Amino acid sequence: DGGITQSPKYLFRKEGQNVTLSCEQNLNHDAMYWYRQDPGQGLRLIYYSQIVNDFQKGDIAEGYSVSREKKESFPLTVTSAQKNPTAFYLCASTDRLNTEAFFGQGTRLTVV
Amino acid sequence: AQSVAQPEDQVNVAEGNPLTVKCTYSVSGNPYLFWYVQYPNRGLQFLLKYITGDNLVKGSYGFEAEFNKSQTSFHLKKPSALVSDSALYFCAVSSNTGGFKTIFGAGTRLFVKA
Repeated sequence: DGGITQSPKYLFRKEGQNVTLSCEQNLNHDAMYWYRQDPGQGLRLIYYSQIVNDFQKGDIAEGYSVSREKKESFPLTVTSAQKNPTAFYLCASTDRLNTEAFFGQGTRLTVV
Repeated sequence: AQSVAQPEDQVNVAEGNPLTVKCTYSVSGNPYLFWYVQYPNRGLQFLLKYITGDNLVKGSYGFEAEFNKSQTSFHLKKPSALVSDSALYFCAVSSNTGGFKTIFGAGTRLFVKA
């Protein structure tokens, strides 16, 4: 079955640590996205990538980094520079501009 | 710049009554409009989209949405609400001048009371 997979589902980070969230898709989609969702709030775009080896900052990129070395993979690193990283992180992909996004099941990151 | 507004944080309806969840947008170029639903601790699921053609779009689970170009709106509707429709609903927009960037609204929580 085609889909988009995020791992892990739950992640705990100590202050000062970097952590990497995984996102893999087997839909052969060109574009991939990372969103952050906070309780009672909508989705805020962190980074997006339209093609391999290229990505653009979204609205809240500070404290985050990404890579797109393969079409299928778009990992997100939450660095120690992100002062408030506790949130629900969603990865998505789209085939073309006017097609719907497919979402992973999310990773809930908590700072301990 | 693209933007999406969902003016209501929460919508409350009784089961069996019609429901409407509002969405307005702002884009340059032709809008591509989407509705998604999210259940607790899950990713978003696609409900329906408007790209071109008939202004009334039908989607999953009996939902429909009407594209109104003059009012730049894309309200989600359902003739008869179910308790199981209770969830968080997101409107989203992209455009042919916005690249692949999809912008989501803040979300509207729908609560259907039995």
